[in-house]
Amino acid sequence: AQSVTQLGSHVSVSEGALVLLRCNYSSSVPPYLFWYVQYPNQGLQLLLKYTSAATLVKGINGFEAEFKKSETSFHLTKPSAHMSDAAEYFCAVKTGANSKLTFGKGITLSVRP
Amino acid sequence: GAGVSQTPSNKVTEKGKYVELRCDPISGHTALYWYRQSLGQGPEFLIYFQGTGAADDSGLPNDRFFAVRPEGSVSTLKIQRTERGDSAVYLCASSILASKGEQFFGPGTRLTVL
Repeated sequence: AQSVTQLGSHVSVSEGALVLLRCNYSSSVPPYLFWYVQYPNQGLQLLLKYTSAATLVKGINGFEAEFKKSETSFHLTKPSAHMSDAAEYFCAVKTGANSKLTFGKGITLSVRP
Repeated sequence: GAGVSQTPSNKVTEKGKYVELRCDPISGHTALYWYRQSLGQGPEFLIYFQGTGAADDSGLPNDRFFAVRPEGSVSTLKIQRTERGDSAVYLCASSILASKGEQFFGPGTRLTVL
């Protein structure tokens, strides 16, 4: 079975500050890992994905995430937050032939001026 | 179309009624997925199709839920005897193949059961 844990439901940062959104996963086989962003009244958009190549993955809008097998983590970071980053962020895991995505509960990111 | 489309965008129905939710995937995508997102939760898997057949329907909560994809393109999620607990946003996604490739999501259908 696969699962994702996103601790906390809300993160608030100041504009220009570091963004760190945490994700831990559980999987019995090597996972594929994803971060999706959901803006209000819009569908989910893929930010980045880990598919067993480089452990440091760069995505769109300046976001990146690092796969750490020893910590079963895939935390999302961005060096400098913009107001436009305010949205809900979901971490998801997929394993091998099982093609469904299993999502965490999501984290709402607020950016203060 | 350029992306996954879902209709209607909003559906309000009364308890006990039947509803159909439609998903039009990206052209050429063979895999199609349905997820359900309740308030304050992440999306939860319902069912996925590879072509016309349901390859995995393990997420369907009970036999009131059924989905079809008769021609391997458009899919319809059908809910019988709706209950208030069925209220959620129903998301559809498609990918080139089930085993690889990004899942592209539609904007969802917000179902409200009164």
